[in-house]
Amino acid sequence: AQSVTQLGSHVSVSEGALVLLRCNYSSSVPPYLFWYVQYPNQGLQLLLKYTSAATLVKGINGFEAEFKKSETSFHLTKPSAHMSDAAEYFCAVSVNNNDMRFGAGTRLTVKP
Amino acid sequence: EAGVTQSPTHLIKTRGQQATLRCSPISGHTSVYWYQQALGLGLQFLLWYDEGEERNRGNFPPRFSGRQFPNYSSELNVNALELEDSALYLCASSPNLTSGDQETQYFGPGTRLLVL
Repeated sequence: AQSVTQLGSHVSVSEGALVLLRCNYSSSVPPYLFWYVQYPNQGLQLLLKYTSAATLVKGINGFEAEFKKSETSFHLTKPSAHMSDAAEYFCAVSVNNNDMRFGAGTRLTVKP
Repeated sequence: EAGVTQSPTHLIKTRGQQATLRCSPISGHTSVYWYQQALGLGLQFLLWYDEGEERNRGNFPPRFSGRQFPNYSSELNVNALELEDSALYLCASSPNLTSGDQETQYFGPGTRLLVL
């Protein structure tokens, strides 16, 4: 079965610094990959998704992720962190349309 | 286009009671998913409904049940509530298999259930 591992349950960056949130997946077939963001006391919002088109995927709020098959990775990046980026981020994988598996989440803190 | 809606936003119950949570999917979506997000446990898959039928369920006891109505809205029922059922319950929906976006799940804001 497919799975994802998010490396680092907490990541702290300074405002204006690069954001890098790591996600590695396991799948026996080409996967669909997703990043979601969850702000406090809210549901999950889709940031971006990879569905076998371009390997570099651009999402909302300046985030992007690159699918690297050789590394089984789908890391999320943003060149310059804003205070408003502080939230929890979830990586997810789906190989059958309706079976989505989530990582444990990474809490991003942005320091002024 | 309206997103996934859930009601109520908050629910307080006592041990042994029953809770009913409701979800309305995005218009045109036929699949509804339920997840439990308990503190420190991440998102745990509960149930998947499509076209009125339960298609899959996660590793939860039978006191977690639900249904999907003809208009594709859904209810999650939790019987004999236990303290550890306290969590944020998230509903998501996805389009039907011909839409081209059927692999993406769109989430509602959640219902926070507190069991005292």
